[in-house]
Amino acid sequence: DQQVKQNSPSLSVQEGRISILNCDYTNSMFDYFLWYKKYPAEGPTFLISISSIKDKNEDGRFTVFLNKSAKHLSLHIVPSQPGDSAVYFCAASSRSGGYNKLIFGAGTRLAVHP
Amino acid sequence: GAGVSQSPSNKVTEKGKDVELRCDPISGHTALYWYRQSLGQGLEFLIYFQGNSAPDKSGLPSDRFSAERTGGSVSTLTIQRTQQEDSAVYLCASSPRTSGRAVSEQFFGPGTRLTVL
Repeated sequence: DQQVKQNSPSLSVQEGRISILNCDYTNSMFDYFLWYKKYPAEGPTFLISISSIKDKNEDGRFTVFLNKSAKHLSLHIVPSQPGDSAVYFCAASSRSGGYNKLIFGAGTRLAVHP
Repeated sequence: GAGVSQSPSNKVTEKGKDVELRCDPISGHTALYWYRQSLGQGLEFLIYFQGNSAPDKSGLPSDRFSAERTGGSVSTLTIQRTQQEDSAVYLCASSPRTSGRAVSEQFFGPGTRLTVL
């Protein structure tokens, strides 16, 4: 049973436009969410996170939105750049899990084309 | 480099053989994690070490899987009697212990791609 779901395996966006990556979760105990970015042959790198006490967190071109009632979060990248092309993983953790055990989604492959 | 390193980068083995995967965490990081990513799947938590505490082994899929962390630094993930379904990328991550924050960022290594024939 997947607790964190990324239903879109891929997304293609034109350079300069907005990329929106979505993530849904089922476990209401999750209270901390993270986005990781992964290039081929490299490990994932941390991008941005959000605590459940917030509904938005922004860092430069990246903004994460959290809708707790819908158990949904999204990552917005604007403007999108070709270097953003990668696989994006959504992850969740909980205080009861000690925040150490990250539960990942299957990832969304983003392609930003000129 | 100063990042997490893993070896080997690729490992091909025959079904039934044992394999050892190595992880060198970032110096000074007290927490170490193992994950695996099967084809088309997200990262699956396997095991977590924090300092001298007993490891959290709740993610290990079977008793064929074990891990050690010697001296609070290098870790080895061992898979005995490998099966074809063990084929995956095995990722190691480490994080510092930071006070006042509930979550510490996990820094990942490049992974070991294991193929069991």
